[in-house]
Amino acid sequence: GDSVTQMEGPVTLSEEAFLTINCTYTATGYPSLFWYVQYPGEGLQLLLKATKADDKGSNKGFEATYRKETTSFHLEKGSVQVSDSAVYFCALSESGGYQKVTFGTGTKLQVIP
Amino acid sequence: KAGVTQTPRYLIKTRGQQVTLSCSPISGHRSVSWYQQTPGQGLQFLFEYFSETQRNKGNFPGRFSGRQFSNSRSEMNVSTLELGDSALYLCASSLSAANYGYTFGSGTRLTVV
Repeated sequence: GDSVTQMEGPVTLSEEAFLTINCTYTATGYPSLFWYVQYPGEGLQLLLKATKADDKGSNKGFEATYRKETTSFHLEKGSVQVSDSAVYFCALSESGGYQKVTFGTGTKLQVIP
Repeated sequence: KAGVTQTPRYLIKTRGQQVTLSCSPISGHRSVSWYQQTPGQGLQFLFEYFSETQRNKGNFPGRFSGRQFSNSRSEMNVSTLELGDSALYLCASSLSAANYGYTFGSGTRLTVV
């Protein structure tokens, strides 16, 4: 079945550092890929998405490129802020049928001033 | 535009009791999904409803059930509560999960004592 693997956390960075959170997936067919963010005490929020190979999703300075050849969707940001501290989830959704969504285990990011 | 509304936000129940959680999706969204989130197991898919029909079901015991009404509002019910049911229960609605992703509510924090 489908699966999403993301790097173990927590990841601790200093403010203005470069961020990469790795995400790889296994799926049959051509899934859509997503990054969600969860701030303490809240539900998940959609951060960015890509629906086909080579698409780049971007939002709030975060970017991720759908790489079919490496089955990856790594999240990057050039300069993190303290306010980016949260848990980040990579997810995929089947493109047909019931469009089941599969989430990774989440990566906690802590940014220190 | 109103978001996904989950009620109540917090709930404390005793073992053996039952509980009903409510979710009002974004207007126009006919798909509603439920997830259980715990520190140890991460995000676990419970079920998905579309136009009052259950389309997908996760690997949870029959004590967990749900339904969706004609106005797309959804409820989930847990009977004979166990300590291990303590979790954050998240509801998400979507127009099309693969094309647009989910919009999540803030969740219901259930504590079983």
